[in-house]
Amino acid sequence: NAGVTQTPKFRVLKTGQSMTLLCAQDMNHEYMYWYRQDPGMGLRLIHYSVGEGTTAKGEVPDGYNVSRLKKQNFLLGLESAAPSQTSVYFCASSQTSGRASEQFFGPGTRLTVL
Amino acid sequence: KNQVEQSPQSLIILEGKNCTLQCNYTVSPFSNLRWYKQDTGRGPVSLTIMTFSENTKSNGRYTATLDADTKQSSLHITASQLSDSASYICVVKVKNDMRFGAGTRLTVKP
Repeated sequence: NAGVTQTPKFRVLKTGQSMTLLCAQDMNHEYMYWYRQDPGMGLRLIHYSVGEGTTAKGEVPDGYNVSRLKKQNFLLGLESAAPSQTSVYFCASSQTSGRASEQFFGPGTRLTVL
Repeated sequence: KNQVEQSPQSLIILEGKNCTLQCNYTVSPFSNLRWYKQDTGRGPVSLTIMTFSENTKSNGRYTATLDADTKQSSLHITASQLSDSASYICVVKVKNDMRFGAGTRLTVKP
């Protein structure tokens, strides 16, 4: 099993450009999440999904959109990138959201917006 | 203000030495607390998980403690190795939300 994979690993955008980050998991997990990690701060939840076809907003959803058309994939889109979106983005998945459910993280995507 | 505070921010120790990392949280109601290890350029990987009724949990050379009354947790690393160099993140689960600490950056030197 590859676990959770993310594409691309690195990306540089100019302000106003758009892009999509792809997350894929092969563990048949129901729940998937997108986080951003900034220096000196804990991971912050952008959006999450509790199953195929469903998405919900997290703590910092503005400027991002997501889609979960297939159970194994969770896409994060930036329609008009801003320098404030320079960050490292992590995708995670879990079987449930229950008390002991563990989230498995991907390797991250480092995004720089100039 | 982050509801999960970790200290120290960074720590340098010599190989073979022990160290203890701290996590204080203010969130409630508490569901569980996890410690994650994050190697540079990688995603976090779970080390331990503790629920309200557990006050200690070990995973090899890693031992986590939890005092739910004072809302404090610690991660003790015994006989450190170079491969322990990483960030250690404390995560508190509140209902369906996860609250992440900013992490402690540990460097183990030979």
